[in-house]
Amino acid sequence: EVQFVESGGGLIQPGGSLRLSCAVSGFIVTSSHMNWVRQAPGKGLEWVSVIYNNGDTYYADSVKGRFTISRDTSKNTVYLQMNSLRAEDTAVYYCVRDTGGYLGQGTLVTVSS
Amino acid sequence: QAVVTQEPSLTVSPGGTVTLTCGSSTGAVTSDHYPYWFQQKPGQAPRALIYDTSNKHSWTPARFSGSLLGGKAALTLSGAQPEDEAEYFCLLSNGGPRVFGGGTKVTVL
Repeated sequence: EVQFVESGGGLIQPGGSLRLSCAVSGFIVTSSHMNWVRQAPGKGLEWVSVIYNNGDTYYADSVKGRFTISRDTSKNTVYLQMNSLRAEDTAVYYCVRDTGGYLGQGTLVTVSS
Repeated sequence: QAVVTQEPSLTVSPGGTVTLTCGSSTGAVTSDHYPYWFQQKPGQAPRALIYDTSNKHSWTPARFSGSLLGGKAALTLSGAQPEDEAEYFCLLSNGGPRVFGGGTKVTVL
């Protein structure tokens, strides 16, 4: 069974950094492209980043240069390193598997002073 | 990056049929965009109903179907039920970056 457990969210001041984790079970993270998407309060879904099974990465313009997606195959986990956080990054962050669109329950990031 | 457009809202009668569409500013949507459709009910995480244009999950009710229609991705709901009232988001791949549409709020009334 495909399952994700996202963690690492919390309250952070503007300009700060957080690292989100998505622990995967039911498949190997390198077998599928893995995404992070987010949803700000009361807003729609926004795609953030993807890491391909070959390691290529892509980012939304809104986070390019500030966020980095990576994975650890030994832990079967995908990460999102978020730097220079802004108030507009406040959202629930979900990891999503490309194949089938499976996603977790999300982790809340709140950027506020 | 491309802009993906959806109808902001649609209303369907119980038992009726409604089609949601998903267009791209870069041109016609094709199977190479691997269209996804996500359903989100208030207070819940979204879940994928359709992937790769028309593939369904085990939890996708048979009344939902995905297709390509007139240069757009389409989600058709045939025989709407009250529990189908939700927001629906499409997602398109653009050969690297992906883009969500703004969502369609479907009311069953």
